[in-house]
Amino acid sequence: QVHLVESGGGLVKPGGSLRLSCAASGFTFSAYHMSWIRQAPGKGLEWVSYISNSGSVIYYIDSVKGRFTISRDDTTNSLFLQMNSLRDEDTAVYYCARPRGNYWHFDLWGRGSLLTVSA
Amino acid sequence: QTVVTQEPSFSVSPGGTVTLTCGLSSGSVSTSSYPSWYQQTPGQTPRTLIYNTNTRSSGVPNRFSGSILGNKAALTISGAQGDDESDYYCVLYMGSGNWVFGGGTKLTVL
Repeated sequence: QVHLVESGGGLVKPGGSLRLSCAASGFTFSAYHMSWIRQAPGKGLEWVSYISNSGSVIYYIDSVKGRFTISRDDTTNSLFLQMNSLRDEDTAVYYCARPRGNYWHFDLWGRGSLLTVSA
Repeated sequence: QTVVTQEPSFSVSPGGTVTLTCGLSSGSVSTSSYPSWYQQTPGQTPRTLIYNTNTRSSGVPNRFSGSILGNKAALTISGAQGDDESDYYCVLYMGSGNWVFGGGTKLTVL
């Protein structure tokens, strides 16, 4: 069965850093593009970042450019999001999601990991 | 900045039909944006309902359907049931590995 499981969330002070991880199982991770999507408390979904299956193509939403870094390790079937210079507005549940390159939708989601940025 | 618009809330009677829409602040939604729809109940992970405008995801009942209506993408729920009461999100693919979600529609079944 296919699964995505996020970990690494927690409470961080503004300006701090945190690294989220997403463990994939049940599918050939290296063949798939991956993304991070977040949801602030009581708010809607927001796409954050994308990494191609090769890892050579990476995109970010403007609000995190220069602060967040997406990466992957196909040897451990893992996706990462390194988050630096965190702000209050980065507080959200962060979902790892699998976008399908044929019709550009998200067909697999993790359960999410909560990041809280607060002094 | 691209803004994807959705009705903030909608209500439907049990057994009724409701159409939720997904538009652009400027311009029209077309199939080339690959509109997809997701259902989310509070505290739960989003569930993929529709992708590529009108293709139902595996296991999604056929009372959920997607289309383009005028200049918007649309999600129609026919024969609404109590457990359809959820938040519904559309997302449009903007190209180059970028997506923009709508703000979501809170659907009440009563």
